Order: sequence, then C-alpha cells, then structure tokens
Amino acid sequence: GEDVEQSLFLSVREGDSSVINCTYTDSSSTYLYWYKQEPGAGLQLLTYIFSNMDMKQDQRLTVLLNKKDKHLSLRIADTQTGDSAIYFCAESINGNNDMRFGAGTRLTVKP
Amino acid sequence: KAGVTQTPRYLIKTRGQQVTLSCSPISGHRSVSWYQQTPGQGLQFLFEYFSETQRNKGNFPGRFSGRQFSNSRSEMNVSTLELGDSALYLCASSLADIQETQYFGPGTRLLVL
Repeated sequence: GEDVEQSLFLSVREGDSSVINCTYTDSSSTYLYWYKQEPGAGLQLLTYIFSNMDMKQDQRLTVLLNKKDKHLSLRIADTQTGDSAIYFCAESINGNNDMRFGAGTRLTVKP
Repeated sequence: KAGVTQTPRYLIKTRGQQVTLSCSPISGHRSVSWYQQTPGQGLQFLFEYFSETQRNKGNFPGRFSGRQFSNSRSEMNVSTLELGDSALYLCASSLADIQETQYFGPGTRLLVL
C-alpha cells in the first residue's frame, strides 16, 4: 500500500513498557524515524534508525527494524506519564528529504 | 543552539485572503521543508528548499508556494485561502544532505473562517 500504517491508540500503566508498531512502504528508505508530538506543539525527533541496522537503543528507547516485512517498532521502557503524546513513524521517500508519515499513535499512560 | 522558529504561531484569516508564514532554520542548516498537518489528512509534505531553490515538491495546488532566502530563512505563501487550508503548518530544517535528519519547529496554526 501507499500509506505508513500505525495503530491509532495505545494505553499502558506507568512503569510498564510501551511498544508502538509501524509498517512503512518504501523498501529503499534509508532512514526511518520516530517523532513525538505533545498537545499544541511541533514534532520532536525521538530517534531514527539507518536502514542497514536491525536495532538501535537510546536510553529508554529501543527501535527494531525488520526490513523484510517493512516493520518498525518503538519500545519505551518504564513508561512515564510524561510520555503521553502522539508518536509518529516516518520514512524518507525517493531518496529525498521529504518524508511520509503515519497517522500517529496516541499513547496514554495511566498512573 | 536555538531551534527552528516559526512566526506567527497563530493566525486567523478569511476565505479568499492570502497568508505568509515564516520559518527560521537552525543555524547552519540549509534545507527547509514545509508540512501541513490536519486531523483528516495527517502530515503531508508541501515542499523543500535548499540553497534558495525548491528541491522537492509534494502534491499540493499552485496556491501553495514558498521561497528561501540567502540566510536560509524560508517563507511559504498560500493564496486564495479555502476553509480546508485550516491546519498546523510545520517547518523542518536539516543540514543539507539528502535524507538528513530533520528538526521541526513548533508550527503555525492557521484558521480560515
């Protein structure tokens, strides 16, 4: 398909791990990104992974990439209430600086 | 280092008017991209400028245009505004290279009445 797909909602308890999944479209995408958007704010780059990597860890964040299935996931360990936001998966397309975004996953962290 | 700044943050216009939005990239960044975010369509790429030239363009009508100045600051213009142009307009900057990591500004929220 032409769309980057993400589930729309995820709810977890504080302290649990969150896993947000994404299926992207362009097998030639060199970079895949995760952005966070809080209410009324722009996009904050959380992390990105180069397409020749399978995994990238950055503090509480772990990104897994399955190129064969075009599947990307973001795991947030020890999720906190401050992690509540919308998380966007994005791929670079056509080798350019334009990106294709998923619809975003709204993460709600309950105390 | 200061982040990407966008002005104004909020704007209200009426149908048929035109609007100009401004974006100042992170110092040293030469590429500026613009995105439109709406609840219905999500985030969509408008265009990218590099060294004062439009390098890439998304699938938007000609009413949407932009430019970039020699100091890398960019403006986007929307003419003959329609209700459907109400959106959050986000600007992102990156150093230069293709597929370089992009950093976003806070956005300009445009409401067309």
